Amino acid sequence: DTEVTQTPKHLVMGMTNKKSLKCEQHMGHRAMYWYKQKAKKPPELMFVYSYEKLSINESVPSRFSPECPNSSLLNLHLHALQPEDSALYLCASSPNKEVQETQYFGPGTRLLVL
Amino acid sequence: QQQVKQSPQSLIVQKGGISIINCAYENTAFDYFPWYQQFPGKGPALLIAIRPDVSEKKEGRFTISFNKSAKQFSLHIMDSQPGDSATYFCAARSGSRLTFGEGTQLTVNP
Repeated sequence: DTEVTQTPKHLVMGMTNKKSLKCEQHMGHRAMYWYKQKAKKPPELMFVYSYEKLSINESVPSRFSPECPNSSLLNLHLHALQPEDSALYLCASSPNKEVQETQYFGPGTRLLVL
Repeated sequence: QQQVKQSPQSLIVQKGGISIINCAYENTAFDYFPWYQQFPGKGPALLIAIRPDVSEKKEGRFTISFNKSAKQFSLHIMDSQPGDSATYFCAARSGSRLTFGEGTQLTVNP
């Protein structure tokens, strides 16, 4: 099973709302990632968790707050977002091994900030 | 030095033809080169990947050619089908980071 699941599929929120995106994988992967993807652009890395610890934060604004409760789950908490944060948010996971490190992506959450 | 340059930006091919997408990189620390296929509204799906100690890898209609000295790699799609119409991203890995090319929008006409 090489599936990464994400919920919700779509999310519309106002700039004062607080919402959370959820990602889950049951492949035993120990690295999990959040990416942001704008239309017709490649995914941009936001955060990397390795063995449930935050290992990379690509200078993402604090209105995005990641959380890794356990090795299978990854959350992204959203607060006071801006319209320019509207995008497809992708979660990915990988085995976190040295060789042939393949990242498997989920279907994404389409976020619209009004 | 972290860039991966991908071309062409868009490609139109007739059914049954060969689609070729090229990527070039500078960073010699890259050690793994996957290609992803993405349909509208979906997440990228791993298509095929290669390590730099291999010059070619073939899986079905998809082939990666890798030229380590030139720091270039390419994806060839043989017998292209309308169902192959999607955006293709090359990528290169260094540590935990994947650096993506800008993407190629492939259209295969029936």
